[in-house]
Amino acid sequence: EPEVTQTPSHQVTQMGQEVILRCVPISNHLYFYWYRQILGQKVEFLVSFYNNEISEKSEIFDDQFSVERPDGSNFTLKIRSTKLEDSAMYFCASIRTSVYNEQFFGPGTRLTVL
Amino acid sequence: GQQVMQIPQYQHVQEGEDFTTYCNSSTTLSNIQWYKQRPGGHPVFLIQLVKSGEVKKQKRLTFQFGEAKKNSSLHITATQTTDVGTYFCAGLRNFGNEKLTFGTGTRLTIIP
Repeated sequence: EPEVTQTPSHQVTQMGQEVILRCVPISNHLYFYWYRQILGQKVEFLVSFYNNEISEKSEIFDDQFSVERPDGSNFTLKIRSTKLEDSAMYFCASIRTSVYNEQFFGPGTRLTVL
Repeated sequence: GQQVMQIPQYQHVQEGEDFTTYCNSSTTLSNIQWYKQRPGGHPVFLIQLVKSGEVKKQKRLTFQFGEAKKNSSLHITATQTTDVGTYFCAGLRNFGNEKLTFGTGTRLTIIP
């Protein structure tokens, strides 16, 4: 069964450093998302991406964040200058054809900022 | 902004007992989805409700969408140890809006 994959599973970085989190959505899916989940808390929407552009973003997704789909298969989230409060689990998700379909989540990347 | 609250935050039940989590949105929703997240895992889609007053069943799970499309509930009958996890509702506010807002979640633990 196709699934969303994410790498790395765990990323440790120093405050102020740039990180890139990578996702490979399911191949015939058209909508892509990034979420974050601080330990023990709810899942928070960061950004949605469709047709090679951001379609919606939350207030969390400030100028330090960017997304890219560089090659038609990967979907990346970049944090330019990490802060301690960026420590969280980051989930990528994709949807096949419509925002009203189920979202398929990847296993997540745990980001630890020291 | 839109807020989606769930109660209770935690629920401990004896195996075989029933469990219910309630979801309330500050705004009317176009649809609501339910996800389950096992400890250490990622959210997994359970179901989607679209119509006002809709009720759907999946084996021991019953999902309901309120008449005003601002609240929803998930009821599990005769819980099993495999039901352990956090249950999240997640709503879309209006058609064309792509921001899925997750509820605060209810963590279910089962006492064998």
